[in-house]
Amino acid sequence: EAQVTQNPRYLITVTGKKLTVTCSQNMNHEYMSWYRQDPGLGLRQIYYSMNVEVTDKGDVPEGYKVSRKEKRNFPLILESPSPNQTSLYFCASASSTQINYGYTFGSGTRLTVV
Amino acid sequence: AQTVTQSQPEMSVQEAETVTLSCTYDTSESDYYLFWYKQPPSRQMILVIRQEAYKQQNATENRFSVNFQKAAKSFSLKISDSQLGDAAMYFCAYRSGQYGNKLVFGAGTILRVKS
Repeated sequence: EAQVTQNPRYLITVTGKKLTVTCSQNMNHEYMSWYRQDPGLGLRQIYYSMNVEVTDKGDVPEGYKVSRKEKRNFPLILESPSPNQTSLYFCASASSTQINYGYTFGSGTRLTVV
Repeated sequence: AQTVTQSQPEMSVQEAETVTLSCTYDTSESDYYLFWYKQPPSRQMILVIRQEAYKQQNATENRFSVNFQKAAKSFSLKISDSQLGDAAMYFCAYRSGQYGNKLVFGAGTILRVKS
């Protein structure tokens, strides 16, 4: 089944403890992105990647890192999480030739930083 | 920068009736794409319908249709014969045709369906 897999689904952590949210897609998509969803703000892009080793900042990149060493994986790293990063996170992917048909989203990661 | 506005935080509809969710956007581009995504309580983001800006004909997918008014920069979603399974958060989203590396989302509209 074609899908974007995020892990974990839920995560509670403490301020300052480094964490990684994994994202993997099995559709050979070139484009991958991370979004965060907050009430009243919709989804906002954190980082995106247009292919292996090609990443760039989105609208809200502060406090996050990403890497794209393999085409299928696009992990999101919070090196020193803070409470304002408590949010619902989505990974999404798209084919460069089919991007006009929208992105495929993962199931989301609910992160709470205390 | 492009912006997307959904002015209705919440809407309610009776089962089997029709409801329209509003979306306006701001852009100076002529080439772009518009989407409606559904987010049920499972949190999954599900693509409902899409519209290419260069197409005048409004998109339709079964009970879902859009009213695309390019000059007014309006992109509303009409759900006919509403069903309990339509209850969800709905997001309107914009993608540039030239700088298509991201979707710009509205704040969302919660749709409640009454039986």
